[in-house]
Amino acid sequence: DIQMTQTPSSMPASLGERVTISCRASQGISNYLNWYQQKPDGTIKPLIYYTSNLQSGVPSRFSGSGSGTDYSLTISSLEPEDFAMYYCQQYDSSPLTFGSGTKLEIK
Amino acid sequence: QVQLKESGPVLVQASETLSLTCTVSGFSLTNYGVIWVRQPPGKGLEWMGIIWRNGNTDYNSALKSRLSINRDTSKSQVFLKMNSLQTDDTAIYYCTRGNINYGGYYFDYWGQGVMVTVSS
Repeated sequence: DIQMTQTPSSMPASLGERVTISCRASQGISNYLNWYQQKPDGTIKPLIYYTSNLQSGVPSRFSGSGSGTDYSLTISSLEPEDFAMYYCQQYDSSPLTFGSGTKLEIK
Repeated sequence: QVQLKESGPVLVQASETLSLTCTVSGFSLTNYGVIWVRQPPGKGLEWMGIIWRNGNTDYNSALKSRLSINRDTSKSQVFLKMNSLQTDDTAIYYCTRGNINYGGYYFDYWGQGVMVTVSS
């Protein structure tokens, strides 16, 4: 199975701040990498698919990049609704594994 | 609009079988795959398996011996069955739709999830 290591596990940040979350795969995943946001009520929604493609309706302050084994999600200027959990997920090979998550907290 | 809704028992005894239903609307199961994902309390997400639009299935190898996913396209329902439950199967169980777009395969709509507790 491909292991997805996500860092940091938690991140205190301030409104308006630029933040980056990293995700490293245990082997190359050919850009087959998605990002999801989970709110405290459990609601999950997709943010980025295929490394850098913004899901419809997701604000442009979210962006994704990376290649090979290393990927990142950047939020350019934090809004109140962005404080949530974030997960990366690879779909290069089965099982389609998720990272362990990053909790974005208000500083 | 696209919706998915999980239903099933919230409490199951250890060693018994879990049966969950995902009822979908706004799309056809013959056009999209449906995936089951679970999340133990306070932990991350685990991909369990998928039923593709053609009815084929793939399972997480860690669960394959206990898990089956089926569907009834006429009722727009996908079924999960997992046997020999243990307390560490306690989790929120989500169903989600798989979408293909510009080289990407991702889960674009999610159900609200159903919390299942396995009691010893």
